Amino acid sequence: QVQLQESGPGLVKPSETLSLTCTVSGGSISSYYWSWIRQPPGKGLEWIGYIYSSGSTNYNPSLKSRVTISVDTSKNQFSLKMRSLTAADTAVYYCARLVAVAHFDPWGQGTLVTVSS
Amino acid sequence: EIVLTQSPATLSLSPGERATLSCRASQSVSNYLAWYQQKPGQAPRLLIYDASNRATGIPARFSGSGSGTDFTLTISSLEPEDFAVYYCQQRSHWPTFGGGTKVEIK
Repeated sequence: QVQLQESGPGLVKPSETLSLTCTVSGGSISSYYWSWIRQPPGKGLEWIGYIYSSGSTNYNPSLKSRVTISVDTSKNQFSLKMRSLTAADTAVYYCARLVAVAHFDPWGQGTLVTVSS
Repeated sequence: EIVLTQSPATLSLSPGERATLSCRASQSVSNYLAWYQQKPGQAPRLLIYDASNRATGIPARFSGSGSGTDFTLTISSLEPEDFAVYYCQQRSHWPTFGGGTKVEIK
Protein backbone atom coordinates (compact mmCIF):
# COMPACT_ATOMS: atom_id res chain seq x y z
CA GLN A 1 0.00 0.00 0.00
CA VAL A 2 1.04 3.62 -0.45
CA GLN A 3 3.37 5.00 2.20
CA LEU A 4 4.63 8.55 2.68
CA GLN A 5 7.79 9.74 4.41
CA GLU A 6 8.72 13.32 5.22
CA SER A 7 12.34 14.48 5.27
CA GLY A 8 14.07 17.74 6.01
CA PRO A 9 15.79 19.74 8.74
CA GLY A 10 14.38 19.64 12.25
CA LEU A 11 15.66 23.12 13.17
CA VAL A 12 15.33 26.30 11.15
CA LYS A 13 16.30 29.85 12.12
CA PRO A 14 13.74 32.65 12.24
CA SER A 15 13.29 34.52 8.92
CA GLU A 16 14.76 31.58 6.99
CA THR A 17 13.06 29.18 4.57
CA LEU A 18 11.83 25.70 5.46
CA SER A 19 12.25 22.99 2.84
CA LEU A 20 10.60 19.60 3.30
CA THR A 21 10.24 16.66 0.93
CA CYS A 22 7.69 13.86 0.96
CA THR A 23 8.66 10.59 -0.71
CA VAL A 24 5.83 8.36 -1.90
CA SER A 25 6.44 4.61 -2.04
CA GLY A 26 4.26 1.64 -2.90
CA GLY A 27 2.45 3.52 -5.65
CA SER A 28 2.74 6.24 -8.27
CA ILE A 29 2.46 9.91 -7.45
CA SER A 30 0.74 10.45 -10.80
CA SER A 31 -2.99 11.15 -11.07
CA TYR A 32 -3.40 12.04 -7.40
CA TYR A 33 -3.52 15.12 -5.19
CA TRP A 34 -0.89 15.48 -2.47
CA SER A 35 -0.99 17.75 0.54
CA TRP A 36 0.90 19.26 3.44
CA ILE A 37 -0.71 19.69 6.87
CA ARG A 38 0.85 20.91 10.10
CA GLN A 39 0.16 20.64 13.82
CA PRO A 40 1.76 22.94 16.42
CA PRO A 41 2.72 21.10 19.61
CA GLY A 42 -0.38 20.32 21.66
CA LYS A 43 -2.70 21.99 19.15
CA GLY A 44 -4.96 21.13 16.22
CA LEU A 45 -4.42 20.51 12.53
CA GLU A 46 -3.93 23.16 9.84
CA TRP A 47 -4.03 22.46 6.11
CA ILE A 48 -1.16 24.19 4.25
CA GLY A 49 -1.85 23.35 0.62
CA TYR A 50 -2.08 20.69 -2.04
CA ILE A 51 -0.69 19.89 -5.47
CA TYR A 52 -1.92 17.66 -8.27
CA SER A 53 0.63 15.47 -10.03
CA SER A 54 0.40 17.78 -13.06
CA GLY A 55 1.64 20.66 -10.90
CA SER A 56 -1.54 22.65 -10.24
CA THR A 57 -1.73 23.93 -6.67
CA ASN A 58 -4.09 25.34 -4.06
CA TYR A 59 -2.98 26.98 -0.81
CA ASN A 60 -4.45 28.00 2.51
CA PRO A 61 -5.18 31.72 2.06
CA SER A 62 -3.57 32.50 5.42
CA LEU A 63 -0.24 30.98 4.28
CA LYS A 64 -0.39 31.51 0.53
CA SER A 65 2.08 34.41 0.44
CA ARG A 66 4.82 32.31 2.08
CA VAL A 67 4.27 28.82 0.67
CA THR A 68 5.25 26.96 -2.50
CA ILE A 69 4.48 23.29 -3.14
CA SER A 70 6.13 21.49 -6.05
CA VAL A 71 6.17 17.95 -7.44
CA ASP A 72 8.86 15.77 -9.03
CA THR A 73 7.11 12.82 -10.66
CA SER A 74 10.41 11.26 -11.77
CA LYS A 75 11.39 10.87 -8.11
CA ASN A 76 7.86 10.20 -6.81
CA GLN A 77 8.28 13.16 -4.47
CA PHE A 78 6.60 16.43 -3.65
CA SER A 79 8.01 19.29 -1.64
CA LEU A 80 7.12 22.23 0.58
CA LYS A 81 8.90 25.55 0.85
CA MET A 82 7.79 28.03 3.50
CA ARG A 83 9.49 31.41 3.72
CA SER A 84 10.00 34.00 6.46
CA LEU A 85 9.60 31.57 9.32
CA THR A 86 8.73 32.62 12.88
CA ALA A 87 8.35 30.69 16.12
CA ALA A 88 4.64 30.34 15.29
CA ASP A 89 5.63 28.01 12.45
CA THR A 90 7.03 25.46 14.91
CA ALA A 91 4.97 22.32 14.30
CA VAL A 92 4.88 18.73 13.20
CA TYR A 93 4.58 18.81 9.41
CA TYR A 94 2.70 15.96 7.76
CA CYS A 95 2.38 15.01 4.12
CA ALA A 96 -0.71 13.13 3.00
CA ARG A 97 -2.59 12.03 -0.09
CA LEU A 98 -5.75 14.01 -0.72
CA VAL A 99 -8.39 11.61 -1.99
CA ALA A 100 -11.16 12.96 -4.24
CA VAL A 101 -10.03 16.46 -3.15
CA ALA A 102 -11.93 15.65 0.01
CA HIS A 103 -10.13 13.64 2.68
CA PHE A 104 -6.57 12.75 3.60
CA ASP A 105 -5.38 9.15 3.43
CA PRO A 106 -2.75 7.95 4.08
CA TRP A 107 -0.51 10.26 6.11
CA GLY A 108 3.22 10.30 6.62
CA GLN A 109 4.52 9.87 10.16
CA GLY A 110 5.26 13.58 10.43
CA THR A 111 8.42 15.56 11.10
CA LEU A 112 8.89 18.11 13.87
CA VAL A 113 10.24 21.44 12.69
CA THR A 114 11.40 23.89 15.34
CA VAL A 115 11.98 27.54 14.46
CA SER A 116 14.61 28.92 16.80
CA SER A 117 17.89 30.77 16.69
CA GLU B 1 -13.59 30.04 5.84
CA ILE B 2 -15.82 27.26 7.15
CA VAL B 3 -15.33 26.77 10.88
CA LEU B 4 -15.88 23.33 12.40
CA THR B 5 -16.81 23.22 16.10
CA GLN B 6 -16.39 19.91 17.89
CA SER B 7 -18.07 19.03 21.15
CA PRO B 8 -17.45 18.10 23.81
CA ALA B 9 -13.77 19.01 24.08
CA THR B 10 -13.24 16.01 26.36
CA LEU B 11 -15.34 12.88 26.80
CA SER B 12 -14.64 10.70 29.84
CA LEU B 13 -15.95 7.18 29.38
CA SER B 14 -15.23 3.59 30.37
CA PRO B 15 -14.38 0.71 28.02
CA GLY B 16 -17.57 -0.83 26.66
CA GLU B 17 -19.50 2.44 26.78
CA ARG B 18 -20.91 4.26 23.76
CA ALA B 19 -19.20 7.45 22.60
CA THR B 20 -21.02 10.17 20.69
CA LEU B 21 -18.91 13.00 19.23
CA SER B 22 -20.35 16.06 17.51
CA CYS B 23 -19.03 18.29 14.74
CA ARG B 24 -20.93 21.39 13.65
CA ALA B 25 -20.05 23.44 10.55
CA SER B 26 -20.53 27.21 10.28
CA GLN B 27 -22.22 26.64 6.91
CA SER B 28 -23.31 23.65 4.91
CA VAL B 29 -20.59 21.26 3.77
CA SER B 30 -23.06 18.83 2.15
CA ASN B 31 -21.71 15.37 3.07
CA TYR B 32 -18.04 16.27 2.58
CA LEU B 33 -17.06 15.55 6.15
CA ALA B 34 -14.32 13.20 7.35
CA TRP B 35 -13.30 11.93 10.78
CA TYR B 36 -9.77 11.08 11.95
CA GLN B 37 -8.33 9.41 15.02
CA GLN B 38 -4.99 10.55 16.43
CA LYS B 39 -3.03 8.82 19.18
CA PRO B 40 -0.09 10.47 20.98
CA GLY B 41 3.01 10.67 18.80
CA GLN B 42 1.19 9.33 15.75
CA ALA B 43 -0.23 10.80 12.57
CA PRO B 44 -3.99 11.07 12.22
CA ARG B 45 -5.75 8.05 10.71
CA LEU B 46 -8.79 8.33 8.47
CA LEU B 47 -11.86 6.67 10.01
CA ILE B 48 -14.87 8.00 8.11
CA TYR B 49 -15.21 9.88 4.82
CA ASP B 50 -18.18 11.48 3.07
CA ALA B 51 -19.90 11.64 6.46
CA SER B 52 -20.79 7.96 6.76
CA ASN B 53 -18.36 5.73 4.84
CA ARG B 54 -15.86 3.74 6.86
CA ALA B 55 -12.31 3.79 5.54
CA THR B 56 -10.54 0.55 4.70
CA GLY B 57 -9.81 -1.57 7.74
CA ILE B 58 -11.86 0.51 10.18
CA PRO B 59 -13.93 -1.62 12.60
CA ALA B 60 -17.71 -1.59 12.36
CA ARG B 61 -18.04 -0.09 15.85
CA PHE B 62 -17.15 3.27 14.25
CA SER B 63 -20.00 4.96 12.41
CA GLY B 64 -20.66 8.42 11.07
CA SER B 65 -23.86 10.28 10.31
CA GLY B 66 -25.17 13.70 9.38
CA SER B 67 -25.24 16.14 6.48
CA GLY B 68 -25.28 19.87 5.95
CA THR B 69 -23.99 21.40 9.17
CA ASP B 70 -24.40 18.74 11.87
CA PHE B 71 -22.41 15.53 12.03
CA THR B 72 -21.86 12.75 14.55
CA LEU B 73 -19.18 10.10 15.04
CA THR B 74 -20.36 7.19 17.15
CA ILE B 75 -18.21 4.49 18.69
CA SER B 76 -20.70 1.82 19.71
CA SER B 77 -18.60 0.13 22.39
CA LEU B 78 -15.25 1.60 23.34
CA GLU B 79 -12.21 -0.64 23.12
CA PRO B 80 -9.01 0.25 25.05
CA GLU B 81 -7.31 1.30 21.80
CA ASP B 82 -10.07 3.82 20.99
CA PHE B 83 -9.00 6.32 23.64
CA ALA B 84 -7.51 9.08 21.52
CA VAL B 85 -8.25 12.48 19.99
CA TYR B 86 -10.76 12.68 17.16
CA TYR B 87 -10.88 15.40 14.51
CA CYS B 88 -13.47 16.24 11.89
CA GLN B 89 -12.50 17.85 8.56
CA GLN B 90 -14.40 19.42 5.68
CA ARG B 91 -13.37 20.19 2.09
CA SER B 92 -15.63 23.00 0.87
CA HIS B 93 -13.68 26.09 -0.32
CA TRP B 94 -10.53 24.73 1.31
CA PRO B 95 -9.93 22.01 3.90
CA THR B 96 -10.35 22.90 7.55
CA PHE B 97 -10.31 20.81 10.71
CA GLY B 98 -12.26 20.96 13.93
CA GLY B 99 -10.49 21.57 17.23
CA GLY B 100 -10.75 17.93 18.29
CA THR B 101 -12.46 15.84 20.95
CA LYS B 102 -10.35 13.88 23.40
CA VAL B 103 -11.88 10.57 24.46
CA GLU B 104 -10.28 9.65 27.77
CA ILE B 105 -10.63 6.76 30.17
CA LYS B 106 -12.95 7.51 33.06
